[in-house]
Amino acid sequence: KAGVTQTPRYLIKTRGQQVTLSCSPISGHRSVSWYQQTPGQGLQFLFEYFSETQRNKGNFPGRFSGRQFSNSRSEMNVSTLELGDSALYLCASSLGLGDSNQPQHFGDGTRLSIL
Amino acid sequence: GEDVEQSLFLSVREGDSSVINCTYTDSSSTYLYWYKQEPGAGLQLLTYIFSNMDMKQDQRLTVLLNKKDKHLSLRIADTQTGDSAIYFCAPNSGYALNFGKGTSLLVTP
Repeated sequence: KAGVTQTPRYLIKTRGQQVTLSCSPISGHRSVSWYQQTPGQGLQFLFEYFSETQRNKGNFPGRFSGRQFSNSRSEMNVSTLELGDSALYLCASSLGLGDSNQPQHFGDGTRLSIL
Repeated sequence: GEDVEQSLFLSVREGDSSVINCTYTDSSSTYLYWYKQEPGAGLQLLTYIFSNMDMKQDQRLTVLLNKKDKHLSLRIADTQTGDSAIYFCAPNSGYALNFGKGTSLLVTP
């Protein structure tokens, strides 16, 4: 069974640009979550989608957005990039059923560098 | 938000046991996870424990949960050099995971 796939693996952008990252979950998983990992702040939760709806959101500015498609694939978008957005962006998928957390499986991430 | 605390570094000799500790504040966490991250890679789910359990064993891994003290530990038996990595404790908060800063485990021959 294929794992969580994130594309691209590496990305270099300049300040003010926008970027879109993609995530394909494990087959059969309907929940996709996004996390940002930086050396200073560690791993922080961005948002979670289930059945094309944002079900939970972390404490990030509105420049960070996402969406989920009917096949459960997800994209996240960051607009007006800032130097501080340089990070490893990790996507995780889970079955997403029920009213509580279930084991999340992570992809290898997209490393975003802002010049 | 929830606080999750872990010690930053641990060094052990190959063949010894490693114990990585974690404390958390959110008593409503229902699942508590341990993840491993190797350089340049994402997070690998190692094991997890449900909040109504106090111990779970999975091959070389043993997880202990003291819910009263909000303390979680991961014991790795017969630690190998391939176990060198960063280990994250992650209790859930609803659908999200709250991560500690991670414990960097160094296994020396």
